[in-house]
Amino acid sequence: QQQVRQSPQSLTVWEGETAILNCSYEDSTFDYFPWYRLFPGESPALLIAIRPVSNKKEDGRFTIFFNKREKKLSLHITDSQPGDSATYFCAARGNAGAKLTFGGGTRLTVRP
Amino acid sequence: EAAVTQSPRNKVAVTGGKVTLSCNQTNNHNNMYWYRQDTGHGLRLIHYSYGAGSTEKGDIPDGYKASRPSQENFSLILELATPSQTSVYFCASGDWGNEQYFGPGTRLTVL
Repeated sequence: QQQVRQSPQSLTVWEGETAILNCSYEDSTFDYFPWYRLFPGESPALLIAIRPVSNKKEDGRFTIFFNKREKKLSLHITDSQPGDSATYFCAARGNAGAKLTFGGGTRLTVRP
Repeated sequence: EAAVTQSPRNKVAVTGGKVTLSCNQTNNHNNMYWYRQDTGHGLRLIHYSYGAGSTEKGDIPDGYKASRPSQENFSLILELATPSQTSVYFCASGDWGNEQYFGPGTRLTVL
């Protein structure tokens, strides 16, 4: 059973549009939700993260919206740029351990 | 700047052969991780370690062993490689509650 799910698997938007990437999870003990970004040929890198005490986290053009009751979160990328084209991974960590559980990823393409 | 290196960067192996992937970190992090990345499956945790001498099973440990001989080094061992283990493998390091820093990845092809 997949603990962290992402949708859509693939997303294409035009430059300047807002891209919305969705994530849901099963385990109610998860207490930390980072998003990692992976450019082709590079290493995954932390983009932005949120803890359940907040329902929103903003960093420039990137915003996480978090709904604890529904166990859902989403990453909004406003004013999308071609340089944002990458695979985005939602992850979750339980409060008892050091390991992260990753979703399947969303491959974002931003067309100029 | 966090530094995690992996070797080799690319590897072609034959079915049934032994493969060792190496990872080194200079961050002085306690925890290290091995993931494989496959399209549609995201990053799946194979093994991880809390420190020198410790190894823990991740979510997909079957067919893999791990070794943590020192704080800096963490190896992933495929004793009998199979084509289903063809993938990109990432090593990462991190400490409790903090982000994980990933290495550049190893592309493994098992023929």
